[in-house]
Amino acid sequence: DAGVTQSPTHLIKTRGQQVTLRCSPKSGHDTVSWYQQALGQGPQFIFQYYEEEERQRGNFPDRFSGHQFPNYSSELNVNALLLGDSALYLCASSYKSVGQLNYNEQFFGPGTRLTVL
Amino acid sequence: DQQVKQNSPSLSVQEGRISILNCDYTNSMFDYFLWYKKYPAEGPTFLISISSIKDKNEDGRFTVFLNKSAKHLSLHIVPSQPGDSAVYFCAASEDNDMRFGAGTRLTVKP
Repeated sequence: DAGVTQSPTHLIKTRGQQVTLRCSPKSGHDTVSWYQQALGQGPQFIFQYYEEEERQRGNFPDRFSGHQFPNYSSELNVNALLLGDSALYLCASSYKSVGQLNYNEQFFGPGTRLTVL
Repeated sequence: DQQVKQNSPSLSVQEGRISILNCDYTNSMFDYFLWYKKYPAEGPTFLISISSIKDKNEDGRFTVFLNKSAKHLSLHIVPSQPGDSAVYFCAASEDNDMRFGAGTRLTVKP
């Protein structure tokens, strides 16, 4: 079991461009959450996908959007990139048990380092 | 808004001694608290958690204490080992909305 995988590992973009980050959850997991971790900060929740729908969203603008596929993998899209979008983007997978997210079983991927110039 | 705060960016302890990492929160509606450990170039790894209905949870060398009246959480590592050197994140959850602290870098010296 490869655990949670993310691609690419590093990415450099310029302001105004668009970016797509990808995440494959751990085997057996059906829920994917995305986090942004700026330098020196803790991860900030962007949104969560379950059953191919966005279920919860943090305080991020509409420039951040996502998708979940039938195989539970997920994409994070960011449009009109700003310098402040430079960060480590973490994907975490888990499974829902009776509608309650089982945080003890939330596994994080290694992240994608996005640099916006 | 900083609902979860880790006021010590770093902590250094000697091998074999106790490490105490602290976390404060402001939202009294948080119902679940967690600690994660993060090594460089890896994602955070779940370490230990505690429900708001408890005040202590122990797992081997790791113990988490919750003081709801003070809105304070702490992680005790006894005895500390060099392999424990990492960044530790405190996190709190309300209805699946998880908030993280900024992290504390723990260094355990041999």
